[in-house]
Amino acid sequence: QQQVKQSPQSLIVQKGGISIINCAYENTAFDYFPWYQQFPGKGPALLIAIRPDVSEKKEGRFTISFNKSAKQFSLHIMDSQPGDSATYFCAASSGSNYKLTFGKGTLLTVNP
Amino acid sequence: NAGVTQTPKFRVLKTGQSMTLLCAQDMNHEYMYWYRQDPGMGLRLIHYSVGEGTTAKGEVPDGYNVSRLKKQNFLLGLESAAPSQTSVYFCASSSTSQETQYFGPGTRLLVL
Repeated sequence: QQQVKQSPQSLIVQKGGISIINCAYENTAFDYFPWYQQFPGKGPALLIAIRPDVSEKKEGRFTISFNKSAKQFSLHIMDSQPGDSATYFCAASSGSNYKLTFGKGTLLTVNP
Repeated sequence: NAGVTQTPKFRVLKTGQSMTLLCAQDMNHEYMYWYRQDPGMGLRLIHYSVGEGTTAKGEVPDGYNVSRLKKQNFLLGLESAAPSQTSVYFCASSSTSQETQYFGPGTRLLVL
C-alpha cells in the first residue's frame, strides 16, 4: 500500500518557469510533511517542511501548499534555475510513528 | 562535524556472500535509519533504531539485519546476498522522529 503518491515522475521546465510537484496521502494521522532534494550521487537533503496547522510555507523560491481536506500537498519552485535540476521526494509521518513514508520521487530538469 | 558517514562507498558481492555496511553519525542523534533506493521506487525503509540497543523493522526488512551497539553507529548486515539486493543504500539520522533526517552519501552495492 503506497501511502504517499507523488506526481509527476519527471518534469522538464524552462529556466525562469514554475515547477510544481504534487503529493497525495491516505493516512489522516500524518502531521509532518517534508520535501527532500537529491542531486545525482548524493544523499537526499531536507528542502522545506510543513505541518498541517498552516496552509502554506515559503522559503525563498520554494513554497509548500497544503490542503488538509483534500489530503494533498505540493511543492512550487518559482523562477526555476538549472541548479534546481534534481530529484525531489515528498514524505509524511505521524507523531506516533517513527518513520517517514516517502513518495517515489520526481526528476526535475530545468533547461537553460 | 562530518555529519553522517557511510562505509564502504561501493562494493561488488557474489551471490551468497555476506557483508556489513557501517553508518556513523557525530550529531548525537537518537534515531537512525537504513533505506534502499531503487529506480522508480523512491526510498524504502529497511530497518530503523530509536536509540542505542534498539532496532525495528521497516518496510522491506527481509534479508537484512541491523545492530546499534553504540549510539553513533548503525550497522546493516547482509548474511547471504542476492541479486535483488543490488541497490544504493542510504543511512540517515535525526534527533527526533519528526525533525530533519540527515542522510549519508550512500553505498552502491552490486550483487552478481
